[in-house]
Amino acid sequence: SQELEQSPQSLIVQEGKNLTINCTSSKTLYGLYWYKQKYGEGLIFLMMLQKGGEEKSHEKITAKLDEKKQQSSLHITASQPSHAGIYLCGAPANSGGSNYKLTFGKGTLLTVNP
Amino acid sequence: NAGVTQTPKFRILKIGQSMTLQCAQDMNHNYMYWYRQDPGMGLKLIYYSVGAGITDKGEVPNGYNVSRSTTEDFPLRLELAAPSQTSVYFCASSYPIAPGASAEAFFGQGTRLTVV
Repeated sequence: SQELEQSPQSLIVQEGKNLTINCTSSKTLYGLYWYKQKYGEGLIFLMMLQKGGEEKSHEKITAKLDEKKQQSSLHITASQPSHAGIYLCGAPANSGGSNYKLTFGKGTLLTVNP
Repeated sequence: NAGVTQTPKFRILKIGQSMTLQCAQDMNHNYMYWYRQDPGMGLKLIYYSVGAGITDKGEVPNGYNVSRSTTEDFPLRLELAAPSQTSVYFCASSYPIAPGASAEAFFGQGTRLTVV
């Protein structure tokens, strides 16, 4: 079965600093999702990457997909306290039509100190 | 916009009791999922459904049952609660944009279950 490893497991940064979170798959990636979770709440969709080399940005968050490396990175520029939370990557287990079984990494806990 | 609604938000069960976690979505999504989240362990798929009347086991189905009689509802049943089922449970739904395409999953707010 596919496994997603996230690094680091936790991260503490000073407000205004840049940071990167990585997600590495044990198998071929057929797409990659990034979600954010605040404590006690559900998951909020951030971005979906579907093609190798694809890069997407939303406000100060940029995600890239490196299919060859079976890896995705999430980069936050000029972090703010509002960025704090748990970031999870998820990937579909299959390609093509059976994309419904999503596997998730264990998450990266981000703390942003003001 | 309701999205995915889970009830209850919190519940304490005694060992051996049973309960049903409710999940409803109003987005007409074909796919629905149940995950459990344990500290430091990420999300584990319990059961999923690709449409009304169709369900299948995920990674950790033991001790749970599901049904999907309508597109909107996907309840999760615990028959004999055990301490190992103490967890946060998330329901999610998604839709295929096009055949073979991936689609984001929308999550409920979670149900925090404690079995004592």
